[in-house]
Amino acid sequence: NAGVTQTPKFQVLKTGQSMTLQCAQDMNHEYMSWYRQDPGMGLRLIHYSVGAGITDQGEVPNGYNVSRSTTEDFPLRLLSAAPSQTSVYFCASSYSGSQPQHFGDGTRLSIL
Amino acid sequence: QKEVEQDPGPLSVPEGAIVSLNCTYSNSAFQYFMWYRQYSRKGPELLMYTYSSGNKEDGRFTAQVDKSSKYISLFIRDSQPSDSATYLCAMSGGGGTSYGKLTFGQGTILTVHP
Repeated sequence: NAGVTQTPKFQVLKTGQSMTLQCAQDMNHEYMSWYRQDPGMGLRLIHYSVGAGITDQGEVPNGYNVSRSTTEDFPLRLLSAAPSQTSVYFCASSYSGSQPQHFGDGTRLSIL
Repeated sequence: QKEVEQDPGPLSVPEGAIVSLNCTYSNSAFQYFMWYRQYSRKGPELLMYTYSSGNKEDGRFTAQVDKSSKYISLFIRDSQPSDSATYLCAMSGGGGTSYGKLTFGQGTILTVHP
């Protein structure tokens, strides 16, 4: 049981490039979420999903896109990277909305 | 004003001390309250999970929720150097899919020195 797996662990992009952050879980969890963590800001919700085919926006969705075609995977796409998107990105999952979320170890993203 | 407020510290205590970490919040719809521990360059790890008001104990850790005051606490007894980490409070609730949306405090950096 690997839990929540995020790839890559580190990435450096140039402004304007696009990329996809991968997140996979093997716990058959319905709920999956993406957060970003910035110094002094805690974690802020970007997008979340309550099941395959269902996604919704969180607190800071601009510049990010998601889709959920399977229960296991929830990729996060940066459409046109900006320096303000330099952050640590965490993916999380839970069995239901009333159960605690389990986190991956993050992707550290720098945009030059 | 942030929906969840947490003193960022840093907090430095000697080994064996009792540590008190706190968060206040403004959204009365929150029903689920969590404490996560985060070591450097790792993801948040769930420590405590409580529903509504009351206390919950797990080993050296005790979580308290006072919904009337919109205040939650985490106590660590007999603190150890291995407890040195960032502690994050988180909460959710409000009906429908809001249950799956966590709102975090800023995190408190704790150092326990031998």
